[in-house]
Amino acid sequence: QVQLQESGPGLVKPSETLSLTCLVSGDSITHSYWSWLRQSPGQGLEWIGYVSYSGRSNYNPSLKTRVFISVDTSKTKFSLNVTSVTTTDTAVYFCARSRLRVTGFDSWGQGTVVMVSS
Amino acid sequence: SYVLTQPPSLSVAPGMTATLTCGRDNIESKSVLWYQQKPGRAPVLVVFDDSVRPSGIPERISGSNSGNTATLTISRVDAGDEADYYCQVWDNRGDHPVFGSGTKVTVL
Repeated sequence: QVQLQESGPGLVKPSETLSLTCLVSGDSITHSYWSWLRQSPGQGLEWIGYVSYSGRSNYNPSLKTRVFISVDTSKTKFSLNVTSVTTTDTAVYFCARSRLRVTGFDSWGQGTVVMVSS
Repeated sequence: SYVLTQPPSLSVAPGMTATLTCGRDNIESKSVLWYQQKPGRAPVLVVFDDSVRPSGIPERISGSNSGNTATLTISRVDAGDEADYYCQVWDNRGDHPVFGSGTKVTVL
């Protein structure tokens, strides 16, 4: 059974770069699409972007100028970078797997809280 | 761009049926997914491809999609069903998922 685990700093200063990693176990990262999503306090789900093993990626149009997602196949992990963060980037960040569009995000990490504050 | 319309809240008595809706013009042309999210937890996929339940999801949770409305039905509701529920479709043109704003289900 696949398991995903997010890790990274819980506090980031404004204007700096937020960096998170999702460790994947129980599944090959060479399969599937790997996404990051987030949820601001009291708000709904927001998709950030995805990456595949082949390097195909896409990002939320509202974030694409500040976001980069990469995959490290040798270590079965993928990573998120968000540059020039502001307080509006404060959220719970989730990593998730999707095998096909129609089957959706079928496995999620537990989420990690990131606060942007000076 | 896509907007999926979900009522913000729904209250239902234990043992009754909860009917959650997700609206958009011609949503029946899309494959709809539903997620359940309990407080402090990650979302859980409960329905994909309009009406298919992943392994482990009880039969009393069902989905349908017709016309301009997709529906998630939870029969014999109990306290464990209290959660936020999000619908989702895929925007093929933009190649990205779109989520509804969620419905908070309260069990009275």
